[in-house]
Amino acid sequence: AQRVTQPEKLLSVFKGAPVELKCNYSYSGSPELFWYVQYSRQRLQLLLRHISRESIKGFTADLNKGETSFHLKKPFAQEEDSAMYYCALSGGGSNYKLTFGKGTLLTVNP
Amino acid sequence: NAGVTQTPKFQVLKTGQSMTLQCAQDMNHEYMSWYRQDPGMGLRLIHYSVGAGITDQGEVPNGYNVSRSTTEDFPLRLLSAAPSQTSVYFCASIPGQGRPDTQYFGPGTRLTVL
Repeated sequence: AQRVTQPEKLLSVFKGAPVELKCNYSYSGSPELFWYVQYSRQRLQLLLRHISRESIKGFTADLNKGETSFHLKKPFAQEEDSAMYYCALSGGGSNYKLTFGKGTLLTVNP
Repeated sequence: NAGVTQTPKFQVLKTGQSMTLQCAQDMNHEYMSWYRQDPGMGLRLIHYSVGAGITDQGEVPNGYNVSRSTTEDFPLRLLSAAPSQTSVYFCASIPGQGRPDTQYFGPGTRLTVL
């Protein structure tokens, strides 16, 4: 069974502060990990994927297989980063099913 | 392309009523899925389809039916609505040879069951 855990329901930081949203996973094979973002009352959007090793909107995430983690980080938070963030996992290949974590609501205060 | 569209945007039902949430995509995507989003629960997969005529259950299928008679449409049916089905419902689609990260999400349907 695949499972994604986001331990923080809410995270509040001040503008300019570093932010880290935690994600841990459980999967027996080689998973693919993603971060999705949902701004207020909008549809989900893919933020980044671990295989791309890219930085989107200043966010990065590194897959740590030893710790089974995929934490999302940004060195300097902006007010427009306030949103719901979901970590998601798939089994890879033709396994199209995504398992989502319960989400973390990030609030960046001015 | 309109992408993934969902109707209605909002719906209020009484317990026991039935209704169909519509989902359509004009991108010729083979894979479509339905999720429900609840506070503190994240997104949970209800049903999915890997192509016309093929459907399967996800994590929380009870109380919902689906069909896939065409590539474009993937309606979700609530046979007898219950307050526990109050949620926001998202439809998503993926190209046939695509990856799960290329899921295109619809705008959502906010359903309240009284």
